[in-house]
Amino acid sequence: DTGVSQDPRHKITKRGQNVTFRCDPISEHNRLYWYRQTLGQGPEFLTYFQNEAQLEKSRLLSDRFSAERPKGSFSTLEIQRTEQGDSAMYLCASSLVVEVETQYFGPGTRLLVL
Amino acid sequence: AQKVTQAQTEISVVEKEDVTLDCVYETRDTTYYLFWYKQPPSGELVFLIRRNSFDEQNEISGRYSWNFQKSTSSFNFTITASQVVDSAVYFCALSVSSNDYKLSFGAGTTVTVRA
Repeated sequence: DTGVSQDPRHKITKRGQNVTFRCDPISEHNRLYWYRQTLGQGPEFLTYFQNEAQLEKSRLLSDRFSAERPKGSFSTLEIQRTEQGDSAMYLCASSLVVEVETQYFGPGTRLLVL
Repeated sequence: AQKVTQAQTEISVVEKEDVTLDCVYETRDTTYYLFWYKQPPSGELVFLIRRNSFDEQNEISGRYSWNFQKSTSSFNFTITASQVVDSAVYFCALSVSSNDYKLSFGAGTTVTVRA
């Protein structure tokens, strides 16, 4: 059973550019979560999906952020007009509805906005 | 609201020493889950353990052990006979059903094991 995968692992961009990250959950996991982790802090919840439905978005997720999970499998997180404050590790996790409390994380995408 | 506090920012030990990581949590829910995750330098969060609020039995897995005490709202983690490969950031986390199991993390404790 392969784990959660994320692509790219690292992204360097200039302020004002758009970036998109991809997350592939563990096969058959219905739930998919996005978290953001800044240096020296624990991950913070951004948004999550059950199948293709986006159930909640954190107040941390400004209008420049959008996430999709079109077919209930992989998910994308897009940041428009990036700002230096967006520099962080973006983590994806997945879980089964029948074991929804346990989330398994991917390796993360480390974003640096110059 | 849920809150997790890891008061220790950094711990440095010499190989073979034991190290205990503290975790204190806050929630008004009676049903909740507690977790420990390990984050090595590569960045991936590795799931270590899950405990639910109704199971206060301590658990041992190899060199790892966990002490859950509801009376003090603590869920501490001990690494026995530490090894260099244990060097990582360790996060304690909490989820509750009323918040649909979204994880609330502590700030993490960086463990450095010196040879």
